[in-house]
Amino acid sequence: SQQGEEDPQALSIQEGENATMNCSYKTSINNLQWYRQNSGRGLVHLILIRSNEREKHSGRLRVTLDTSKKSSSLLITASRAADTASYFCATRTTDSWGKFQFGAGTQVVVTP
Amino acid sequence: DARVTQTPRHKVTEMGQEVTMRCQPILGHNTVFWYRQTMMQGLELLAYFRNRAPLDDSGMPKDRFSAEMPDATLATLKIQPSEPRDSAVYFCASGPGTGGDEKLFFGSGTQLSVL
Repeated sequence: SQQGEEDPQALSIQEGENATMNCSYKTSINNLQWYRQNSGRGLVHLILIRSNEREKHSGRLRVTLDTSKKSSSLLITASRAADTASYFCATRTTDSWGKFQFGAGTQVVVTP
Repeated sequence: DARVTQTPRHKVTEMGQEVTMRCQPILGHNTVFWYRQTMMQGLELLAYFRNRAPLDDSGMPKDRFSAEMPDATLATLKIQPSEPRDSAVYFCASGPGTGGDEKLFFGSGTQLSVL
């Protein structure tokens, strides 16, 4: 199974609403990152939160990390139609390989 | 505007044929990852290079897949022979190798269809 698992799998909201998605992971991590993928495109890095941080903001994005529960959440405030995309969490293992492993993603649809 | 370049963008081939996908990482990046994306399995890590040396290819079917970095500007992923179950989008990503806070830059992918 994948290191990161997002919840929900899909989310449909109206413009102006907030979108919240969650990610759970299994092993110790150096950091957790969130990426966005528009249809037919590659993933784009959004935000990184280190294992010793609890919350981070970037524009309309807010990320939290709870290492005791091995979970993270991504909040997009005041969503726009352009936020329609799939969102993935990625964890990097603390072993010597430092592999990036991605969750299954949350598909977000924002309707005008 | 630095970016990861993947070729071809689309490939349709018949079962049994060899497929070669190419990736040009961002200049100066020294880590390269190959991922395969399908609806059923999501993003699967196939191979991972650092300074052109393969570090992990445990996610790759060794009997038919091979990944190489002939030089710092080119990474290749080959499938021989290809099978219909290999149909997927294959992504290459590169990173600056800056340690724990490294973030990845993805190419646009190669959409492979094996008939």
